[in-house]
This record gives sequence, C-alpha cells and structure tokens, in this order.
Amino acid sequence: ILNVEQSPQSLHVQEGDSTNFTCSFPSSNFYALHWYRWETAKSPEALFVMTLNGDEKKKGRISATLNTKEGYSYLYIKGSQPEDSATYLCALRDNYGQNFVFGPGTRLSVLP
Amino acid sequence: EAGVAQSPRYKIIEKRQSVAFWCNPISGHATLYWYQQILGQGPKLLIQFQNNGVVDDSQLPKDRFSAERLKGVDSTLKIQPAKLEDSAVYLCASSLYGSGPTGELFFGEGSRLTVL
Repeated sequence: ILNVEQSPQSLHVQEGDSTNFTCSFPSSNFYALHWYRWETAKSPEALFVMTLNGDEKKKGRISATLNTKEGYSYLYIKGSQPEDSATYLCALRDNYGQNFVFGPGTRLSVLP
Repeated sequence: EAGVAQSPRYKIIEKRQSVAFWCNPISGHATLYWYQQILGQGPKLLIQFQNNGVVDDSQLPKDRFSAERLKGVDSTLKIQPAKLEDSAVYLCASSLYGSGPTGELFFGEGSRLTVL
C-alpha cells in the first residue's frame, strides 16, 4: 500500500505571509502528482497536475514544484489571503493502476 | 457544465441504522469513485466504477457497505448497519475515461455522516 505523507498537518499564518508545505511519496511508484484545494463546505478542486521531475507550475500566488527522484513536492503560497484558508491535499497516481492515493492534507488558516 | 451532485449533504444516524448516499457525476464521465474521508486523514478509496462495472473495491468493507451504478450514470453507496467509526465525509468524484495519469478528479461537495 502506497504511503503519501504531508507536512505540516496544520498551519496558521497571518495575512500577507508566504508559506509552503510538503508532500512526500515513494519515488519508485511515481506516475503523476495532483494537488487539490478543499475549502470548508465546498468540493475539492484541482490545483495542479505534475508529471515530470523538475516541473514547476504556477496559478496566481500559488506555485508547486516536483522532485520525482527524491519523492517530494512543495506547494508555495505567496502573500497568503484569508480566502486561501483550506485543506491542501496531494494525491499520487502510481504506475500500477488508476487509483489516486491521497495524503492526509495540510490545513491552512490565514488570519486577517 | 453541471458539477458532481451529491445528497444528502448531512446525515445523523444512530449506530446499527442504515444510510444511503447518492451521486450524479458530470455528464459523460465514465469513471466514478466513492471516497471516505475520516477527520485528520486523507480520502480513502472505497470503490471505483468504470461505467457500471466495478474496477476496484478492495477497500470496501463488504460486510456493511455496498454500492451500485446500475445504468452507468448515478451511483448509490449504502451502509448497513452503521458503526461509530463510519462517521466521515463520503466524497463522490468522477473523471473522463482514458484521461491518463494527468486526468483530474471532479468532486462533489460530500455527504457528512455522523453516527451516534
């Protein structure tokens, strides 16, 4: 069973702070890595899909990097805003099947 | 384009009672997933359908959970009888068949179950 880990488990930052979190996964099983944002009372939404070692993706103030050789991905948020408050989930798609294996998520709270 | 619809949004039941959740995926999405998300954990796959066939139900507790997708569109997930540890958010997701490793999941808002 694949194990996808995320750290920290939760994070509180002040509005305007920049922050980052980590997703770790077994590098031997890598096929693709997905990041999702899950706001309270809403449905999880896809942020990024990453497949290549060294990939960097950006969407507004949020960006992500990928290192498939060492098995980790970083998610960065620049100048956090209260609307960034959410749980950020990463999910690994392995090369054996179609399933997504999710990490436990990082819960971000941005205080105004 | 309408998103993934789920109902009910919230359900409170007592242990040993039964409950059913309904999901309507995005039109044209052949693949449908049910995930269980317990507080503090990541979503865990319960069952994956391809049209109306089961692709993966290895983590579905079949003594109490059942799911069906009779016409390859809507799906129902049932729990009977419920246990305290079934308290969770049940997420339905769909994706396009053949979208490969980069194909994303489209989620519903989830059904939050509390078992007392």
